Amino acid sequence: GEDVEQSLFLSVREGDSSVINCTYTDSSSTYLYWYKQEPGAGLQLLTYIFSNMDMKQDQRLTVLLNKKDKHLSLRIADTQTGDSAIYFCAAETGTASKLTFGTGTRLQVTL
Amino acid sequence: NAGVMQNPRHLVRRRGQEARLRCSPMKGHSHVYWYRQLPEEGLKFMVYLQKENIIDESGMPKERFSAEFPKEGPSILRIQQVVRGDSAAYFCASSPPGLKETQYFGPGTRLLVL
Repeated sequence: GEDVEQSLFLSVREGDSSVINCTYTDSSSTYLYWYKQEPGAGLQLLTYIFSNMDMKQDQRLTVLLNKKDKHLSLRIADTQTGDSAIYFCAAETGTASKLTFGTGTRLQVTL
Repeated sequence: NAGVMQNPRHLVRRRGQEARLRCSPMKGHSHVYWYRQLPEEGLKFMVYLQKENIIDESGMPKERFSAEFPKEGPSILRIQQVVRGDSAAYFCASSPPGLKETQYFGPGTRLLVL
């Protein structure tokens, strides 16, 4: 089955760019997602990318997909303290569109 | 348009009791997914339902867990005879027909089994 992996922790200074990385194993995954989870809250869909795309940009967010290496990244430009949260990478697998999540990357933004 | 709603937000049960978790999808959404998040872990898929049908329950434990999405009313995730290991956050997501790739999540129900 699909396996999605992320690094556990990332610390950046306010104003810098953050890059959160993710790898997945199932090359047939059609859609790949980034979700944000703040403490005690649900998941907020940030963005997603279709597997035939290399890049998608949405305001401060840039998603890069290297399908050959099965590597996905999320870049947050001008990182703010409000961006502190856990970021989950997820891959859609199978015909039922269920999502397989990574363990999440905790982003800490320091002043 | 209200988002995905889940209730209760917090639920405390003693071992052996039943837990019933409710999920109301976004208006117009006909697909519902349940996920479980154990402490310090990512979300794990449990079940995918459409109205009156279970499409994929490959992530559901074989015993004590059941889910339904009736023609009228919310989707229900039912856990019978709860054990401490069932303590987790249970998230529901919904997506509209024809756009299954976009799942919107509810705030979750945090179940604590004493």
